[in-house]
Amino acid sequence: EIVLTQSPGTLSLSPGERATLSCRASQSVSSSYLAWYQQKPGQAPRLLIYGASSRATGIPDRFSGSGSGTDFTLTISRLEPEDFAVYYCQQYGSSPTFGQGTKVEIK
Amino acid sequence: QVQLQESGPGLVKPSQTLSLTCTVSGGSISSGSYYWSWIRQPAGKGLEWIGRIYTSGSTNYNPSLKSRVTISVDTSKNQFSLKLSSVTAADTAVYYCARERPRGLQRYGPVDYWGQGTLVTVSS
Repeated sequence: EIVLTQSPGTLSLSPGERATLSCRASQSVSSSYLAWYQQKPGQAPRLLIYGASSRATGIPDRFSGSGSGTDFTLTISRLEPEDFAVYYCQQYGSSPTFGQGTKVEIK
Repeated sequence: QVQLQESGPGLVKPSQTLSLTCTVSGGSISSGSYYWSWIRQPAGKGLEWIGRIYTSGSTNYNPSLKSRVTISVDTSKNQFSLKLSSVTAADTAVYYCARERPRGLQRYGPVDYWGQGTLVTVSS
């Protein structure tokens, strides 16, 4: 099983600031099968990034993903009020797993 | 626009079998190269992938749940289902059905559509 470790657990930032979220895998994630999701309270997650760096349909370009192998990053260039949420990374290979999540909260 | 809707009992007794159904609308469950999945989330905790079924009927399961999980598809009803046997309180969670869409030449894909989720509580 590929274990994904996200850091930090909580990120306290102000609107307009840059957010950098990390996702580290216990072994290499093949074919960049790495996605990022955003989840708000009481809602299902929403796909932001797939293939490590491709934005999903309708996702603003302030969201970007990078990385390969075992180290991946989600960057939100300038936080908007609606971006405060929990973010999960996922590897979606033959046996998918999720990271434990990073909460982005208002400072 | 594809929509997914979970249905099933919200309360299950310990040691019994949890059964949920996901009804897909806005598209045929048997068209396209999609995987149909179940994912769960205990209250205040993270996401756990349970398993998936391909349109051909082939399945993948989470190794930690494999001995208790069965996912099946009923193309005539445009539905797929989850059965989880021998449940305990640790199986209490919001259960989501979802669609995984492979991109390009990739074999697997991320979840692009989710159901709203249904809370299942395991308690006597």
